[in-house]
This record gives sequence, structure tokens and C-alpha cells, in this order.
Amino acid sequence: SSELTQDPAVSVALGQTVRITCQGDSLRSYYASWYQQKPGQAPVLVIYGKNNRPSGIPDRFSGSSSGNTASLTITGAQAEDEADYYCNSRDSSGNPHVVFGGGTKLTVL
Amino acid sequence: EVQLVQSGAEVKKPGESLKISCKGSGYSFTSYWIGWVRQMPGKGLEWMGIIYPGDSDTRYSPSFQGQVTISADKSISTAYLQWSSLKASDTAMYYCARQSGFGELYLDYWGQGTLVTVSS
Repeated sequence: SSELTQDPAVSVALGQTVRITCQGDSLRSYYASWYQQKPGQAPVLVIYGKNNRPSGIPDRFSGSSSGNTASLTITGAQAEDEADYYCNSRDSSGNPHVVFGGGTKLTVL
Repeated sequence: EVQLVQSGAEVKKPGESLKISCKGSGYSFTSYWIGWVRQMPGKGLEWMGIIYPGDSDTRYSPSFQGQVTISADKSISTAYLQWSSLKASDTAMYYCARQSGFGELYLDYWGQGTLVTVSS
């Protein structure tokens, strides 16, 4: 199995750039995907694969990876970006299992 | 348009059984894994397991193996999550999601969630 670790909370000033990170051994083999969840709503996929955005996701969201760390960057954060963000990846077993990080609460000041 | 529509909220007593559903539309239901994700009140997302409706291949997270059963009826494009004996600790929001990808795996479409409340 594997674990993914995220900072519990991050804040950013309106219009500034913020990076949310995710660490885990499985990230040495697989890219992370990222999900945004607002209160009372289902999660929404915002980044998957090397750095792919589903249709409708603003281009201020981007993903990157280095070693055992994946990052979600929001360039020019907006008030509507305030949400919980979760990373996930395939686990190290090779089975089609995935594991989630604990989530990061993003506050836009 | 891909859609996953889940069954409505449930209120149950400890020891009761329950089966919730997730109906897919707008894509080939038998060609993608469908996963279930638990979110306990105020907590994060937990991947429970997946099923491939094409052949009913089912995999479970070790944390949920033996605690729940995942199934699917491909004739009606519906996946299920069931409990034989609920506990108060099963109180949570449960989401189904389509799991895509080959090397990298990601959940690209999500249901609206089913809130399960277990209380005496």
C-alpha cells in the first residue's frame, strides 16, 4: 500500500500564486491527480496525468511532479478557488487501486 | 454527457442492511471501472474499491475488504454498494466515480453522493 501526505491548510492572497503539495512513494512511479471539493459538493477533477485539465477547468490550475512530490499550482488565485484539495494516485502495488491524500484546505485572503 | 446518478439519502439503524446505487449514462458503462469513495463527516476522501462492470472484476481497499460488497448490473448500467450489518461508524457520504486511465488512474466523473446515517 502507499500513503500520500498533504499539508492540512494553506492560504493565499487574492490574485497571488499558491502551490499545494502531495508527497508519497507511489508518486515516484505515477502522476498524481487533483480534486477540488467545495462545501456540500462532490469532488471535481482539476488535474490528471502529467498536467492535463478536464474541459471547463481554468488554465490557472496546473500540475507538476518531482521525485516523490506532486504539486498543484494555482496562478492568480480567485475567491472561488477557496476549497479543499485532494491528491490521489495509483498505489505502488500495481493493482488498479488508488489512494487519496488527507486533503488541503485552501483559504483565499 | 457522462452522468452518474446516485440513490437518495438513507437513515438506518445499527444492524440493518443497506444497498445504495449509482446509475451511469452517456458512456459505455461496461468499459470503465466504477469506484466508491467514503467521506465521513468533516473528514477526507477514502477510496473503498472498484468494479469493472464488463466482467464484474472487483477490487477492495484492505481497509474495506469484508466490510462492504460492491456489485454491478450491466444490463441497467448500475453499480451498487451494500452492507449486511450497518454500524454507527458507517455514517458518511458515499460517492461513486468513474475511474479512468491506464498507468495513472483518476476519477473523472462523480455522482452527487448518497448520505448514509446510521443511528439508533
